[in-house]
Formats: sequence, structure tokens, C-alpha cells
Amino acid sequence: GAGVSQSPSNKVTEKGKDVELRCDPISGHTALYWYRQSLGQGLEFLIYFQGNSAPDKSGLPSDRFSAERTGGSVSTLTIQRTQQEDSAVYLCASSHPGQGYEQYFGPGTRLTVT
Amino acid sequence: GDSVTQMEGPVTLSEEAFLTINCTYTATGYPSLFWYVQYPGEGLQLLLKATKADDKGSNKGFEATYRKETTSFHLEKGSVQVSDSAVYFCALSEGRGGADGLTFGKGTHLIIQP
Repeated sequence: GAGVSQSPSNKVTEKGKDVELRCDPISGHTALYWYRQSLGQGLEFLIYFQGNSAPDKSGLPSDRFSAERTGGSVSTLTIQRTQQEDSAVYLCASSHPGQGYEQYFGPGTRLTVT
Repeated sequence: GDSVTQMEGPVTLSEEAFLTINCTYTATGYPSLFWYVQYPGEGLQLLLKATKADDKGSNKGFEATYRKETTSFHLEKGSVQVSDSAVYFCALSEGRGGADGLTFGKGTHLIIQP
């Protein structure tokens, strides 16, 4: 079966531009997670969705970051006015309560801000 | 807050050597513990997990035991292979019905030489 997919796989953008990153979770997975992987900070948890709702947005690094999920499926992570420190690999994961909330990760989107 | 500490490496071993990667954690509650692996050019994969004290997770010859008294979850393998070369991440989740993202250690780069 299909795993978690993310697009684009690579994104190069200029400082100050907005970017949208997309995540398609495994079909039927109700929970969806966004993480950021960077050399300096390792793997950081950003935000979690149960269905379309994100109960806690405190993990987002700044108010330039936002995320939404519609229809209980696809999610987008938007970064406004990108900065060089936003350069990282953004990972998405999904899980299902029937599987003990074991998280399955996508291949990531490598974002480079020039 | 929660945290995970693991040896960062790189750890270089010869094929068939015994492997230990140490992992200790700090958590406010009673977390579930995980080891994830990232092979070169691939996404994060769950290697093994344990959800309560004294549980042993195992997979592909790797083992880790949940030790509540020492807040540890060390990864071991009796005889490593070149194909085990990867980055290994220890992680925890407070597991509030999936509402927590994973808290990761910084990763241990393992290199196995033939």
C-alpha cells in the first residue's frame, strides 16, 4: 500500500518568499504530524493534527509558520517570509489509533532558503 | 520538558562486532520508547518500540529494554553487518492518545566496516 508522500521533494526559494509544503498521509490514518530536521537542532516536533484539528500549535517555531489539514487527509505547512534559518528537511508522519499510534514517516521536503 | 540523550558518534565498528548505543530519557509521565533508523537516502523507519517498564522491543536482530529505574533504552545487536550502517534515533512519546509528537535524540551515526 502507499506510504506517506510529501511534495515537493526539494524546494529552493529566495529569502522573504512564502512556501507551501504538502503531506499526503496513509489512507485511513487519523493523526498527522509535522517535524523539522536540521543539522543544528536535530529532529523537532512542530505540530500534530487529530482529524482536522490541531490542539497544540506551540511547537511551531514562529508566527511565520502555519499548518492546516482539510478533509481529515492532506495537510499543508506554510512558511511565510522565509528566512535562511528555515532551511531544513521537513518531515511528515501519520498514525492510526488502531496501530498504537506508531508513526510512519514520509521522505521529507528539503527546503533551501537562499 | 521531555528530552532524550544519546551518544552522537560517529560510531565505527567492524562487521560481526557487538553494538551498544546508549539512550537515556527525561519525561514527566510514563512514556513509550522507540528506536528509529534512517538508512542513507531513505526516510525514517521504526526499528522497535517498548511501551512499559521491562518490555523488550526487538527487530532485525536489534533489541532494547525499557528500564524505568535507570530511565534508559539502550540499543544492542550481537553481530552487526555492513547493511546496518545508518543513523539511529532514540525517541519517546508521552502517548496521550497520540496527541504528543515524538521527542528525538540527536541521532547516532553508525558505520560498519567490512
